[in-house]
Amino acid sequence: DAGITQSPRHKVTETGTPVTLRCHQTENHRYMYWYRQDPGHGLRLIHYSYGVKDTDKGEVSDGYSVSRSKTEDFLLTLESATSSQTSVYFCAISESSWADTQYFGPGTRLTVL
Amino acid sequence: EDKVVQSPLSLVVHEGDTVTLNCSYEVTNFRSLLWYKQEKKAPTFLFMLTSSGIEKKSGRLSSILDKKELFSILNITATQTGDSAIYLCAVGVPRGFNNAGNMLTFGGGTRLMVKP
Repeated sequence: DAGITQSPRHKVTETGTPVTLRCHQTENHRYMYWYRQDPGHGLRLIHYSYGVKDTDKGEVSDGYSVSRSKTEDFLLTLESATSSQTSVYFCAISESSWADTQYFGPGTRLTVL
Repeated sequence: EDKVVQSPLSLVVHEGDTVTLNCSYEVTNFRSLLWYKQEKKAPTFLFMLTSSGIEKKSGRLSSILDKKELFSILNITATQTGDSAIYLCAVGVPRGFNNAGNMLTFGGGTRLMVKP
């Protein structure tokens, strides 16, 4: 299995509070991604990173921000959590843009009350 | 807008049966098609296909891509209860500055249940 960890694995928070999810990899891969998975919608890309300090938006980026200050860490922040952001969040990594194979972390289940 | 559609949505079979899962897509600038298996955790990679007509095979699983008709199939022969999972299809397209990212667009998945 690819060396990807996510923290926390489970979190319950209240509407309006800030939340940060962490993805950590030990593979030294350049590309990192954040997805959310919801019933009926499958996996949808939130943001991705193609290098340290290089990030771009995915298909469902509203309400989320990301940062990548080191190759191994990719942070996803919900500035002010809403109930619609209750979801399972997966981080993924990829060695190169042409390799395409993305390997997924174990996921974080976030509940916003 | 890129679109990936999987069928059927769900499937129930008995051990030993053979199943075929379908994935059709409409995307701009296709690069690859990937299959993942998801049990009660993270998706795990099965296959990546980039060329039409070349079958990828791993044990009882196989997959093939048709870039002309824009679809792929995943076959599982002699199914076992351990094959029960959601199978996800995703299409990779280049995006971003200088095609710096490889974006995957996922289908909604096919839920397979294999009964003993």
